[in-house]
Amino acid sequence: EPEVTQTPSHQVTQMGQEVILRCVPISNHLYFYWYRQILGQKVEFLVSFYNNEISEKSEIFDDQFSVERPDGSNFTLKIRSTKLEDSAMYFCAKKAVDTQYFGPGTRLTVL
Amino acid sequence: RKEVEQDPGPFNVPEGATVAFNCTYSNSASQSFFWYRQDCRKEPKLLMSVYSSGNEDGRFTAQLNRASQYISLLIRDSKLSDSATYLCVVNMAGTASKLTFGTGTRLQVTL
Repeated sequence: EPEVTQTPSHQVTQMGQEVILRCVPISNHLYFYWYRQILGQKVEFLVSFYNNEISEKSEIFDDQFSVERPDGSNFTLKIRSTKLEDSAMYFCAKKAVDTQYFGPGTRLTVL
Repeated sequence: RKEVEQDPGPFNVPEGATVAFNCTYSNSASQSFFWYRQDCRKEPKLLMSVYSSGNEDGRFTAQLNRASQYISLLIRDSKLSDSATYLCVVNMAGTASKLTFGTGTRLQVTL
């Protein structure tokens, strides 16, 4: 199955700063997802994105978060004003036939 | 009740042992079921889908009991390389919707 790449692999930022995490699917897909995993906790759904629109979002995905596909290829997750509790691994995923395949993740550290 | 519940372990087993993991889910309308594997600080990777009839992939066997809302994974002839966290994952709506993860069961295979 074609992989998903994510950049950067690790992002360190100061509290209150904006961060943009990027996801690049190898092949053309319509469905994308963002998940996060706080260290030691389970993987949690943030948002799904279909045909350039948000199709579903969780309670975690508040006004501080946004997603877009600015150039028809890259898929970005923006956190406007980071908090300490945003420190986590952020995974992008793409839909396959009956499940989802995950990128390698971006480790976000908020200081 | 948690949406997807797993025993966190760890399960420490010797090489060659057979080990079984269990998982329960709360939503009886759930549609798709999976086992993912996650290595330390890496992305979840699909191990296998789980079907009502049961399915096998080499040393791995997965079972689903819809009446009991119970999923299992059996690993035979454990290898050192099987050491990882095994995530029980449920899709509660259509195949394009979010995945809901359990906290994972940690397996450590030793010499």
